[in-house]
Amino acid sequence: EAQVTQNPRYLITVTGKKLTVTCSQNMNHEYMSWYRQDPGLGLRQIYYSMNVEVTDKGDVPEGYKVSRKEKRNFPLILESPSPNQTSLYFCASSKGIEQYFGPGTRLTVT
Amino acid sequence: GQQLNQSPQSMFIQEGEDVSMNCTSSSIFNTWLWYKQDPGEGPVLLIALYKAGELTSNGRLTAQFGITRKDSFLNISASIPSDVGIYFCAGQSTTSGTYKYIFGTGTRLKVLA
Repeated sequence: EAQVTQNPRYLITVTGKKLTVTCSQNMNHEYMSWYRQDPGLGLRQIYYSMNVEVTDKGDVPEGYKVSRKEKRNFPLILESPSPNQTSLYFCASSKGIEQYFGPGTRLTVT
Repeated sequence: GQQLNQSPQSMFIQEGEDVSMNCTSSSIFNTWLWYKQDPGEGPVLLIALYKAGELTSNGRLTAQFGITRKDSFLNISASIPSDVGIYFCAGQSTTSGTYKYIFGTGTRLKVLA
């Protein structure tokens, strides 16, 4: 089944404790992206990647890092999480214009 | 960061009614997209629009790419209970070699049976 998977689905952590949210797709898509969704703000793009080893900032990249060492994986790294990064995070992948979204990761930073 | 102005923020309608929502931007986009998000899930693409003035339908959904390239609207005809969800517009710009997506703030639709 073609899909985008994210792990974990739920995470509660404390300020400053490094964490990684994994994202994997099995559709051989070149484009992958991370978004955060907050009430009243919709989805905001954090980082995207056009292909392996090619990443670029979206609209809200501060406090996040990404890497694209393999085509199928695009992990989101929070080196020192802060409470304002509490949010619902979505990974997406696409070949053309249609993005396929993962199920989301709900992160709470206390 | 840049965002799209989407309205209305929320709508309560009776089953069978038609629905209209729109999205405006201060920037020009090459592509306009409309997504629907069901509770607990990621957004799913409904319609993609590729050129100014384009009018595209997908079943009971119709969307248009504004002539100025700064706006788009979505109509849903004869709404049914499963239309409930959050609808997002998104614009994609490929200027300066970037491939960013900018999303609207969403329209939350509730359908009363």
